[in-house]
Amino acid sequence: GAVVSQHPSWVICKSGTSVKIECRSLDFQATTMFWYRQFPKQSLMLMATSNEGSKATYEQGVEKDKFLINHASLTLSTLTVTSAHPEDSSFYICSARVAGDLYEQYFGPGTRLTVT
Amino acid sequence: AQSVTQPDIHITVSEGASLELRCNYSYGATPYLFWYVQSPGQGLQLLLKYFSGDTLVQGIKGFEAEFKRSQSSFNLRKPSVHWSDAAEYFCAVGENNDMRFGAGTRLTVKP
Repeated sequence: GAVVSQHPSWVICKSGTSVKIECRSLDFQATTMFWYRQFPKQSLMLMATSNEGSKATYEQGVEKDKFLINHASLTLSTLTVTSAHPEDSSFYICSARVAGDLYEQYFGPGTRLTVT
Repeated sequence: AQSVTQPDIHITVSEGASLELRCNYSYGATPYLFWYVQSPGQGLQLLLKYFSGDTLVQGIKGFEAEFKRSQSSFNLRKPSVHWSDAAEYFCAVGENNDMRFGAGTRLTVKP
């Protein structure tokens, strides 16, 4: 149980275009989902926390107008990288928390974004 | 502010040898502690977690970790490492509805 999927697993896009990444909880309802960014050989950095039906909370230094997060249902959150640039190239990982569980997060397999 | 420290960036051990990965945290109260493993290009897999109770926690793949409040540590151990254990290991701490990760320790296993 507690499986989280991400789609796509990897994507290549041209500079200036927008890319949408989906995060789905497959067998549970996730009231809260998290988006992380991971640079090569570095740790995960929390970008934002999204709660179903409300606006996402962004970490300091993360541009909310560039990284649009939508958590429209209890099983789906999306991250849209708008007007992507090469410096946005990274590994994006989402996680989801079961309703009523305050701390444990279940992680998706990640999405590799390359902006050319 | 809360912090998680993994002092060792890279560790190399021989296959069959024992392993200990260090993790120290700085938190105001008793934290919720996790160890995750990440293979190259993959997401995170939970190895084990500590919320309360017995301070020695057993996880998957033969891993265990011990919570030591006096040392603010939650070190990960395995008595005999297998080549398939080569990966990146992350310690994480949860508090106040949040989770923070250490910088990670890369494990290399020599044949």
